[in-house]
Amino acid sequence: KAGVTQTPRYLIKTRGQQVTLSCSPISGHRSVSWYQQTPGQGLQFLFEYFSETQRNKGNFPGRFSGRQFSNSRSEMNVSTLELGDSALYLCASSPTGQGGTEAFFGQGTRLTVV
Amino acid sequence: GDSVTQMEGPVTLSEEAFLTINCTYTATGYPSLFWYVQYPGEGLQLLLKATKADDKGSNKGFEATYRKETTSFHLEKGSVQVSDSAVYFCALRSISNFGNEKLTFGTGTRLTIIP
Repeated sequence: KAGVTQTPRYLIKTRGQQVTLSCSPISGHRSVSWYQQTPGQGLQFLFEYFSETQRNKGNFPGRFSGRQFSNSRSEMNVSTLELGDSALYLCASSPTGQGGTEAFFGQGTRLTVV
Repeated sequence: GDSVTQMEGPVTLSEEAFLTINCTYTATGYPSLFWYVQYPGEGLQLLLKATKADDKGSNKGFEATYRKETTSFHLEKGSVQVSDSAVYFCALRSISNFGNEKLTFGTGTRLTIIP
């Protein structure tokens, strides 16, 4: 069974640009969540999608957005990039995203903003 | 809001030593608790979980017991190996006031095992 796939693995962008990251969940999983990991702030929840609807959202500015497609694949977009957006972005999928169900993580996309 | 407090790292131990990484939490209701591990250059992998009070999660020699009275979920291993070197994250999933659920993570504890 294929795991969670995130593309690309590495990305370098210039301040002010925008970027789109992709996440393909495990087959059959309908919940996809996104997290930002930085040395200073640790792992912070961005948002969660379930059946193409944003079900939960963290405390990030509107520059961070996402969507989920009918096949459960998800994309995350960051507009007007800032240096502070440099981070490892992790995607996690789970069957329902609720209760004690396990969240399976991808290897992440490392974004560097210069 | 929900929060997870983990033991500050880094932690360095000799092979075969006993490991404890402390984790306490604050949450409304009855959260599920998790320990995740992150190896260099990798995403997070679930190590173990517990979904209700007094449950003990265990995997690969690691154990953690859900203690509701002390709001704790400490990770323990009796004899660590060099291959256990990684960053360990304690996390909880609870229901927000709006009925949504999300994972809240601790800051992570970097563990290094010396041969």
